Amino acid sequence: DGGITQSPKYLFRKEGQNVTLSCEQNLNHDAMYWYRQDPGQGLRLIYYSQIVNDFQKGDIAEGYSVSREKKESFPLTVTSAQKNPTAFYLCASSIEGSSPLHFGNGTRLTVT
Amino acid sequence: GQQLNQSPQSMFIQEGEDVSMNCTSSSIFNTWLWYKQDPGEGPVLLIALYKAGELTSNGRLTAQFGITRKDSFLNISASIPSDVGIYFCAGRQAGTALIFGKGTTLSVSS
Repeated sequence: DGGITQSPKYLFRKEGQNVTLSCEQNLNHDAMYWYRQDPGQGLRLIYYSQIVNDFQKGDIAEGYSVSREKKESFPLTVTSAQKNPTAFYLCASSIEGSSPLHFGNGTRLTVT
Repeated sequence: GQQLNQSPQSMFIQEGEDVSMNCTSSSIFNTWLWYKQDPGEGPVLLIALYKAGELTSNGRLTAQFGITRKDSFLNISASIPSDVGIYFCAGRQAGTALIFGKGTTLSVSS
């Protein structure tokens, strides 16, 4: 079955450590996205990529970094510079930039 | 950045009741999408709207793309317990990334 896989489902880290969240899709979609979800805040865009080897900052990119070396993969690194990293992180993909997004099942990151 | 105003923030209804929620903006959008999110899961696309005035149904769900292109509505008829979750609207302007509302949390009591 085609889909978007985020791993792990739950992730725990100590403050000051960088952590990388995985996102893989086998839908052959060109565009991929990372969103952050906090209670009552909706989904806020961190980074997106419309094509391999290219990506753009979203509304809340500070403290995060991404890479898009392969079409199938769009990992997100939460760096120690991110002041409030504890959140639910959602990866999504779309056929191209103007198509509806399909979401993975998220990674819940807890930093203590 | 651009914002979508989604209301109500939460709803508590009895099984069998109809539900209405909406999303508004001060700007014009050319795409409106409605998603549902179950606890601990990613949002799932319910309905996509691409044309002003468009009215689209998906089972008991009906959504409309407002004539002014600045709003959209989602109605759920005859609610059932599995309708519980968070409903998000999302809009896109030409050449920009999708913007999400803050969600409507629906609770259904049987």
